[in-house]
Amino acid sequence: DAGVIQSPRHEVTEMGQEVTLRCKPISGHDYLFWYRQTMMRGLELLIYFNNNVPIDDSGMPEDRFSAKMPNASFSTLKIQPSEPRDSAVYFCASSADLYYGYTFGSGTRLTVV
Amino acid sequence: DQQVKQNSPSLSVQEGRISILNCDYTNSMFDYFLWYKKYPAEGPTFLISISSIKDKNEDGRFTVFLNKSAKHLSLHIVPSQPGDSAVYFCAASSNSGNTPLVFGKGTRLSVIA
Repeated sequence: DAGVIQSPRHEVTEMGQEVTLRCKPISGHDYLFWYRQTMMRGLELLIYFNNNVPIDDSGMPEDRFSAKMPNASFSTLKIQPSEPRDSAVYFCASSADLYYGYTFGSGTRLTVV
Repeated sequence: DQQVKQNSPSLSVQEGRISILNCDYTNSMFDYFLWYKKYPAEGPTFLISISSIKDKNEDGRFTVFLNKSAKHLSLHIVPSQPGDSAVYFCAASSNSGNTPLVFGKGTRLSVIA
């Protein structure tokens, strides 16, 4: 298995533009998580899905953020419109269990200028 | 409100000596604890874990200690090697509380040759 695959690896965009981050989880993993890493807040959970259904999106910072999982092999995190304070590294992770064994992707470094 | 706290942003240790990374938590429902290791431009990878029914778990050079009464855990690396230089994240979850992994802000370990 190739692990959790995220794209793009780097994204530079202008303030106000729409940004879409993509994730392919490990086949057979029922849980998918989106985390954001910043210096100030460390790794914070934005949203997670179980069997393609969003379970908890309380970590999503604002309505500008949305996430979807149309099928078991694909998820997106969208920011519209993007702002400079959204600059961070966004990680997708998948797991067969909610409590341990998360496998992370390599992340997308987002820079909003 | 940080439920998992890593109060030392960075730590520097001589090669061959012991590295001790600390983590405190506030949620008494947490019953499973993990350490993840992260190299630059990569996602976090699982290192070692411990269940709340234990107070110690060892894996090669890595040992995690859990003090439930103090709500404190630590990761010991003996002996430290330059390849251990990375950011270490402490994480906790709650099976009974149906809570996914909550991460601390991380501690950057530098092992000096």
